[in-house]
Amino acid sequence: QQQVKQSPQSLIVQKGGISIINCAYENTAFDYFPWYQQFPGKGPALLIAIRPDVSEKKEGRFTISFNKSAKQFSLHIMDSQPGDSATYFCAASQGAQKLVFGQGTRLTINP
Amino acid sequence: EPEVTQTPSHQVTQMGQEVILRCVPISNHLYFYWYRQILGQKVEFLVSFYNNEISEKSEIFDDQFSVERPDGSNFTLKIRSTKLEDSAMYFCASSVRQNTEAFFGQGTRLTVV
Repeated sequence: QQQVKQSPQSLIVQKGGISIINCAYENTAFDYFPWYQQFPGKGPALLIAIRPDVSEKKEGRFTISFNKSAKQFSLHIMDSQPGDSATYFCAASQGAQKLVFGQGTRLTINP
Repeated sequence: EPEVTQTPSHQVTQMGQEVILRCVPISNHLYFYWYRQILGQKVEFLVSFYNNEISEKSEIFDDQFSVERPDGSNFTLKIRSTKLEDSAMYFCASSVRQNTEAFFGQGTRLTVV
């Protein structure tokens, strides 16, 4: 019940395209859903986060869509750029403390 | 911009030896965490720490592990007798209070040989 399932494992998108990464969770007590971006050799950096009282949150080119009834949330990266190439992790927690991470998605943006 | 600082960036140790990984959380943060990431796998929670005591720990965080805040700035993770399977990237994180975003350090790559 503590798992967060993330897909796809890897994704290749053309420059300017939309990158979409999906996550699903089981624990209905989760109330905080962040996305982290990680470059090789670096720590995860918070990209955007959402709480279940809203269905969508947008920050620049990054949007989280949240479906509480389906227990799913997704990250959309609009106008994807080569600099967006990184590993993306979704996570979930109750009270933003103990984060449960998904398996990660390696995103490659082709120029 | 304030950041979480971890030292060393890479540590190589012999199996059975003790290691201490060090972290300096962001100065006004009150909640501290350790996570680990085995190469190519997901990030896993180890322990959270608040008010000088462990608030939650995972199954991974067994008796070989301990955490300490020895002074007002450092937060350490000690592994008493390292095993080969402890080889991983260890990340320290901190948050200003409960229910707020956690900021991660750059990590310490621990290699046990």
